[in-house]
Amino acid sequence: DVKVTQSSRYLVKRTGEKVFLECVQDMDHENMFWYRQDPGLGLRLIYFSYDVKMKEKGDIPEGYSVSREKKERFSLILESASTNQTSMYLCATSGGAASGNTIYFGEGSWLTVV
Amino acid sequence: AQTVTQSQPEMSVQEAETVTLSCTYDTSESDYYLFWYKQPPSRQMILVIRQEAYKQQNATENRFSVNFQKAAKSFSLKISDSQLGDAAMYFCACEPRHTGNQFYFGTGTSLTVIP
Repeated sequence: DVKVTQSSRYLVKRTGEKVFLECVQDMDHENMFWYRQDPGLGLRLIYFSYDVKMKEKGDIPEGYSVSREKKERFSLILESASTNQTSMYLCATSGGAASGNTIYFGEGSWLTVV
Repeated sequence: AQTVTQSQPEMSVQEAETVTLSCTYDTSESDYYLFWYKQPPSRQMILVIRQEAYKQQNATENRFSVNFQKAAKSFSLKISDSQLGDAAMYFCACEPRHTGNQFYFGTGTSLTVIP
């Protein structure tokens, strides 16, 4: 089974703090994603990466950056957290056709910015 | 632009009954995949069922089946013999083949199962 691990399930951070959300996958998938989930808005893509050191902006990249130094790890960075970034963050991975074009999710990270 | 629309924010069903969740999508691609994902209260999203657009036959997985109407761009999920464990948020998603493995999600339908 594909395992996607988000290191932090629940975080509380102060406005202006730098926040790191880490995601690790164990299936050697090329593609990794960060989504934000908010009630009534569904999942919105923040960034995705299709290879090491490669990244592409999604629909809502403002206020976020990402890092992919190793294939299995994809980090989401909030340079200066703001209250409107309070949300659930979901990491996901996909191997393309090799994985049946299916996307696999981590358990999510609940971030509260106060 | 690719969009996925779920017009039912909330649905409820009596245990053992059947419920259908609606989804419509819009894509300019001719080759794509469609998915239904389930997110139980524990929050991890899991795959329920997938459909390849070039296949006319509707996908089924045990109690879950889809009604795929390609011309209407409709992809509904039918849950038969509903169980308490089916209570969750359900997301419809579309992955056009030529968009770099990007997935587009609807806003979700919250399903309540009434004992």
